[in-house]
Amino acid sequence: GENVEQHPSTLSVQEGDSAVIKCTYSDSASNYFPWYKQELGKRPQLIIDIRSNVGEKKDQRIAVTLNKTAKHFSLHITETQPEDSAVYFCAAAGNKLTFGGGTRVLVKP
Amino acid sequence: EPEVTQTPSHQVTQMGQEVILRCVPISNHLYFYWYRQILGQKVEFLVSFYNNEISEKSEIFDDQFSVERPDGSNFTLKIRSTKLEDSAMYFCASSPGQGARAFFGKGTRLTVV
Repeated sequence: GENVEQHPSTLSVQEGDSAVIKCTYSDSASNYFPWYKQELGKRPQLIIDIRSNVGEKKDQRIAVTLNKTAKHFSLHITETQPEDSAVYFCAAAGNKLTFGGGTRVLVKP
Repeated sequence: EPEVTQTPSHQVTQMGQEVILRCVPISNHLYFYWYRQILGQKVEFLVSFYNNEISEKSEIFDDQFSVERPDGSNFTLKIRSTKLEDSAMYFCASSPGQGARAFFGKGTRLTVV
């Protein structure tokens, strides 16, 4: 089955700096790669997604890149703000979503 | 935006008891899922359901678990004899197709005592 590895597990950045989270996946059949933000006690919220026919996607301060050959994808958050502090999960989907282990992001004011 | 609704939001049960977690997926969605998240850990896939049958299940989804779509709107997860380690947040999700965006409910926090 699919296996998704996510790094780092924790990330502390200064407000205004960039944050980068990286994921790798194992199943070459996966074709959909969403990123979720989860605040304490709440459900995962989709923040951006990318399909396998696209290499990069951007939405304001958030961007995702995908390298299908290497089977890895990354989330980039620029100009981080304290409200970006949360746990972020990557996921890979073919028939179902398989989540990475999560990255706890702390943005220090 | 359409919502997946889950009830109850919190369920406390005694070890060995049966629990049923309920979900109402988005009405025109075809694929339904249950996920589990133990406190502080990642979201784990339990089962997917399509065309009134299980399409895939994980190793976690053993014979203590079952799912049902008893009518045109509800999608339930039953745990027959709960164990302490079943304590977790259970999320229901639905999507219009395979590889499409999945919409998550707010979750049911199950506490087994």
